[in-house]
Amino acid sequence: KAGVTQTPRYLIKTRGQQVTLSCSPISGHRSVSWYQQTPGQGLQFLFEYFSETQRNKGNFPGRFSGRQFSNSRSEMNVSTLELGDSALYLCASSSGTGATNEKLFFGSGTQLSVL
Amino acid sequence: ELKVEQNPLFLSMQEGKNYTIYCNYSTTSDRLYWYRQDPGKSLESLFVLLSNGAVKQEGRLMASLDTKARLSTLHITAAVHDLSATYFCAVDRAETSYDKVIFGPGTSLSVIP
Repeated sequence: KAGVTQTPRYLIKTRGQQVTLSCSPISGHRSVSWYQQTPGQGLQFLFEYFSETQRNKGNFPGRFSGRQFSNSRSEMNVSTLELGDSALYLCASSSGTGATNEKLFFGSGTQLSVL
Repeated sequence: ELKVEQNPLFLSMQEGKNYTIYCNYSTTSDRLYWYRQDPGKSLESLFVLLSNGAVKQEGRLMASLDTKARLSTLHITAAVHDLSATYFCAVDRAETSYDKVIFGPGTSLSVIP
């Protein structure tokens, strides 16, 4: 079974640009969640999508948005990039049913550098 | 203020020794997670703890949850070098869809042969 796939693996952008990151979940998983990891702020939850609907949201400005497609693939978009957006962006997938032992499976991440 | 704290933040221990990492949180919780992250790598899910008194074990790691004390522990038994990594706890907050998941700062564990 293929794991969670994130593309691209590395990305370099300049301030003011926008960026789109992609996440393909494990087959059959309907929930995709996104996280930002920086040395200063640590790991932070961005949002979760389930069946094409945003189900949960973290404390991030509106520049950060996402969507999920009917095949459960998800994209995350950051507009008007700032230097502080430089981070490792992780996505994770799960069945999303809230089952007792439900675990998240993480992708390898996209390392975004904003210059 | 919503907080998830871990201690210690840095831990250096010898192989064969036992130690416990603590995770305190200040909000009500639906569930508590433990994750492992190797340097330069992604996160790996270790445990999901749902209810008060829950205990889960896998190999040399055992996690427990006390929802009344808002405390979870990750106990390491007879540490081996392969356990060297950063360990994060995360709280999935009950009754909210905003800022729903909060992570601790992580505990960097180094097991010395």
